[in-house]
Amino acid sequence: DAKTTQPPSMDCAEGRAANLPCNHSTISGNEYVYWYRQIHSQGPQYIIHGLKNNETNEMASLIITEDRKSSTLILPHATLRDTAVYYCIVRLNAGNNRKLIWGLGTSLAVNP
Amino acid sequence: DGGITQSPKYLFRKEGQNVTLSCEQNLNHDAMYWYRQDPGQGLRLIYYSQIVNDFQKGDIAEGYSVSREKKESFPLTVTSAQKNPTAFYLCASSIYDRGGTEAFFGQGTRLTVV
Repeated sequence: DAKTTQPPSMDCAEGRAANLPCNHSTISGNEYVYWYRQIHSQGPQYIIHGLKNNETNEMASLIITEDRKSSTLILPHATLRDTAVYYCIVRLNAGNNRKLIWGLGTSLAVNP
Repeated sequence: DGGITQSPKYLFRKEGQNVTLSCEQNLNHDAMYWYRQDPGQGLRLIYYSQIVNDFQKGDIAEGYSVSREKKESFPLTVTSAQKNPTAFYLCASSIYDRGGTEAFFGQGTRLTVV
């Protein structure tokens, strides 16, 4: 599975959009981009995943560049409860969960 | 409602004692996992199980043991052989290990050894 690079920390004002970038320049054609988040002292929670098209669900939107070398997770109206560490993971859809590479993620602080 | 439950949330033990962390899921998932999380590090895989009565070592299995006698349960024992047992332990499950199925995590157990 390809490695990812994320900024260690970001800030966002409550009510504004939070845009979290992820670089995955070595991604291969059949690898997906997954996003999880971990609120302090809790287990990670799945947010969204995509291959090449932009994706949206009730939690967030995922924008993947045309060359697929980077992506952005968008929380459209961040709240204080969105303060968490966000992990970007690249994986084969047929791959093993046990082989997921969990980096350090981006620590997002949503400020009032 | 369905989910994955870890207990207890906080656990304190004296050095040299074995301790067992509980993980139960009612999602009917075949695969279960144990991770360890330390400050400044990503999640590291301790053990995983793809099916009942089968389990395999992950990246940092030394000093740990597991069992998978029932589909719903995957307890982790931290033995006295584990050099640095103080950490946040996370249990997860998925329908299968392969196939890109989403992993669900428990709320974690924070173990402190004094």
